[in-house]
Amino acid sequence: AQSVSQHNHHVILSEAASLELGCNYSYGGTVNLFWYVQYPGQHLQLLLKYFSGDPLVKGIKGFEAEFIKSKFSFNLRKPSVQWSDTAEYFCAPRNGNTGKLIFGQGTTLQVKP
Amino acid sequence: DVKVTQSSRYLVKRTGEKVFLECVQDMDHENMFWYRQDPGLGLRLIYFSYDVKMKEKGDIPEGYSVSREKKERFSLILESASTNQTSMYLCASSLGVTGELFFGEGSRLTVL
Repeated sequence: AQSVSQHNHHVILSEAASLELGCNYSYGGTVNLFWYVQYPGQHLQLLLKYFSGDPLVKGIKGFEAEFIKSKFSFNLRKPSVQWSDTAEYFCAPRNGNTGKLIFGQGTTLQVKP
Repeated sequence: DVKVTQSSRYLVKRTGEKVFLECVQDMDHENMFWYRQDPGLGLRLIYFSYDVKMKEKGDIPEGYSVSREKKERFSLILESASTNQTSMYLCASSLGVTGELFFGEGSRLTVL
């Protein structure tokens, strides 16, 4: 069965620290990969996505993610976080054949000013 | 901008009541989804629909049903609400099978 795992449930960083959130998925076929973000009091929105091509994708607000097919991973990174990055982050792989999208458990990021 | 509107932000219902959660999108998307969001569990798919009058079960359909009579509207129905259905419910829509999801602001349901 298709599954996804986010390694960190709660991350606390100081401003300017670097961020890496881990995401591993189980599906071995064609996969599309997404990271969504939910800022406090706001609706979920797309941060970045990978469909094909360059495995290093860039999203909004300086975020990037790297698709490593051999490791079934799609980790999210940001070189220097800001207080405004405080949010919950969800990794979401989509089965490229069925279109079914599943979400990870989410990682709560708290950035201290 | 795509707009997904959920009719109720907060609801409080009693056990056994019938509950309707309404969702409307304004971008002519074929696909619509209902998720529930619980702390530590992420988002879990309840039902989705790829077309009018069409529905597919997600991962946790038990206790829920859906209705899609018009393309822009997707309703989630709890026939007899129970306390374990207290949760945040999120509606989303997408264009095509691979399109990104656009989410509503959520409906927080409390069942007493």
